[in-house]
Amino acid sequence: GENVEQHPSTLSVQEGDSAVIKCTYSDSASNYFPWYKQELGKGPQLIIDIRSNVGEKKDQRIAVTLNKTAKHFSLHITETQPEDSAVYFCAAHLPGNTPLVFGKGTRLSVIA
Amino acid sequence: DSGVTQTPKHLITATGQRVTLRCSPRSGDLSVYWYQQSLDQGLQFLIHYYNGEERAKGNILERFSAQQFPDLHSELNLSSLELGDSALYFCASRKTGGSYNEQFFGPGTRLTVL
Repeated sequence: GENVEQHPSTLSVQEGDSAVIKCTYSDSASNYFPWYKQELGKGPQLIIDIRSNVGEKKDQRIAVTLNKTAKHFSLHITETQPEDSAVYFCAAHLPGNTPLVFGKGTRLSVIA
Repeated sequence: DSGVTQTPKHLITATGQRVTLRCSPRSGDLSVYWYQQSLDQGLQFLIHYYNGEERAKGNILERFSAQQFPDLHSELNLSSLELGDSALYFCASRKTGGSYNEQFFGPGTRLTVL
């Protein structure tokens, strides 16, 4: 089955700096890669996703890149703000009736 | 607000007891997924229902069971509770008609077993 590794487990950045979170997946057949943000006491919120036929996707200050050859994908947050502080999860999905497989999460702290 | 609702928000019970967690998916979504999130752990997939039928099972204990009703709400039943069952339980619904597994999570139920 699919396995997703996520790094780093914790990340601290100064407000205004960029943050990068990286994930690798094991099954080259995976074709969908969402990112979720989980704030304290809340459920995970889908913030951006990328499909295997696309190499990069951007939405305002967040972007995701996908390298299918290397089987890794990354989340980039630019101009970080204190409200970006949260736990971020990556996930991968194989085609068909299979569940999302999540990484273990990255706790991002943006220091004002 | 994702449109997925879960009740109750908090649940405190004793070992050996049984509880039921409830989830209502987004309007129009037919799929419901249940996840367990323990302290400092990721999201562990438990079970998936689609339009009333069980579609996939993950790391779900035999003491746990779920069902999805004709109105598409789902319930997760946890019995013979142990201290280690204390966790956050989330449900998510999948966007109907989408080609990819876009899931939208509810706010979760925090279960504390004493």
